[in-house]
Amino acid sequence: AQSVTQPDIHITVSEGASLELRCNYSYGATPYLFWYVQSPGQGLQLLLKYFSGDTLVQGIKGFEAEFKRSQSSFNLRKPSVHWSDAAEYFCAVGAGAAGNKLTFGGGTRVLVKP
Amino acid sequence: NAGVTQTPKFQVLKTGQSMTLQCAQDMNHEYMSWYRQDPGMGLRLIHYSVGAGITDQGEVPNGYNVSRSTTEDFPLRLLLAAPSQTSVYFCASSLGFSDNSPLHFGNGTRLTVT
Repeated sequence: AQSVTQPDIHITVSEGASLELRCNYSYGATPYLFWYVQSPGQGLQLLLKYFSGDTLVQGIKGFEAEFKRSQSSFNLRKPSVHWSDAAEYFCAVGAGAAGNKLTFGGGTRVLVKP
Repeated sequence: NAGVTQTPKFQVLKTGQSMTLQCAQDMNHEYMSWYRQDPGMGLRLIHYSVGAGITDQGEVPNGYNVSRSTTEDFPLRLLLAAPSQTSVYFCASSLGFSDNSPLHFGNGTRLTVT
């Protein structure tokens, strides 16, 4: 069975600073990998996904993630955070024919200091 | 285009009561699923459906029933509510069987069982 670990429960970053969120996965085959963001009281919004091909994936809102098979990682990055990036971020690995059966990590809550 | 609509947004139940969480999508998606979100545990898959008339269990199915009589609707039933079912529930859908079909999430139902 697949699993996802997000080692950091909380991260505090200053506005304008860079951000990196860690994600490690366990999966027996080539993974489908996702990052979602959840604002308070809202559902989850897809930031980016990796299915195959280029290991550096660009997403919405200026986010990118890099798939490293040798490290079983899919870390999320943003060069310069904005106050509106304060949210909870979830990494997920997908199984099933189209990767729709997602297993999520526990989430990382990002706080942005002015 | 409403996307994925969940009702109600909030619900309080007493132990032993029953209720149905509604989920509807207007995107003609084949795949629909239910997740529960608990602090520190990310989202866990309860049940899913790959099309009308077909349902299957996810990671945490006990205490929940589902049916899929139409493409649009995928209700989640709690027959005998228990305090352990206090959670935020998310419905999600996708086209399925396509690597360009990420999950679309509803805004969630916050359920409290006393």
